[in-house]
Amino acid sequence: DVKVTQSSRYLVKRTGEKVFLECVQDMDHENMFWYRQDPGLGLRLIYFSYDVKMKEKGDIPEGYSVSREKKERFSLILESASTNQTSMYLCASTRPLAGADTQYFGPGTRLTVL
Amino acid sequence: RKEVEQDPGPFNVPEGATVAFNCTYSNSASQSFFWYRQDCRKEPKLLMSVYSSGNEDGRFTAQLNRASQYISLLIRDSKLSDSATYLCVVNMWGNAGNMLTFGGGTRLMVKP
Repeated sequence: DVKVTQSSRYLVKRTGEKVFLECVQDMDHENMFWYRQDPGLGLRLIYFSYDVKMKEKGDIPEGYSVSREKKERFSLILESASTNQTSMYLCASTRPLAGADTQYFGPGTRLTVL
Repeated sequence: RKEVEQDPGPFNVPEGATVAFNCTYSNSASQSFFWYRQDCRKEPKLLMSVYSSGNEDGRFTAQLNRASQYISLLIRDSKLSDSATYLCVVNMWGNAGNMLTFGGGTRLMVKP
């Protein structure tokens, strides 16, 4: 089974802090993704990476950066956390399925910025 | 207009009922389609893929209408354990490979 893990389930930070969210997958997948999920807005793609040291902006990259130094690990960084970044953050990893990619998600990190 | 649209619900149904969700997508270049299930405070998990010919998995039937650009999910004989949010997901080939676009989800509540 695909295993995607995230470093924390719940996190509380203060405005202005630098925040690191870690994601690790154990299936040697090339593609990894970071989303945030908010009520009424669904999942929105922040950044994705299709190889080590490669990254691409998603739909809402502002205020975030990412790091992919190893294939299995994809980190999301909030350079200076703000209250509007309070959200559920989901990491995902791609597995090919019947010729099309589907994604397997980590358990999520619920971040609260005070 | 959102790329993938769903009625957010909630759909409140009694056990044993049949319930159907629809989803529309705006990009005709979309290539593959999925339904994901998300339980409260949990991550989304793949429920089933959606094929043009339709596909069935036990009590669940998914169908795709490319001409009208909508996808449906039918649940027969609803169980309490079916209570969850169902996400419609559309896959397109982009510059960096396959990209998924998620609908906002439809919430289902099955009551005793």
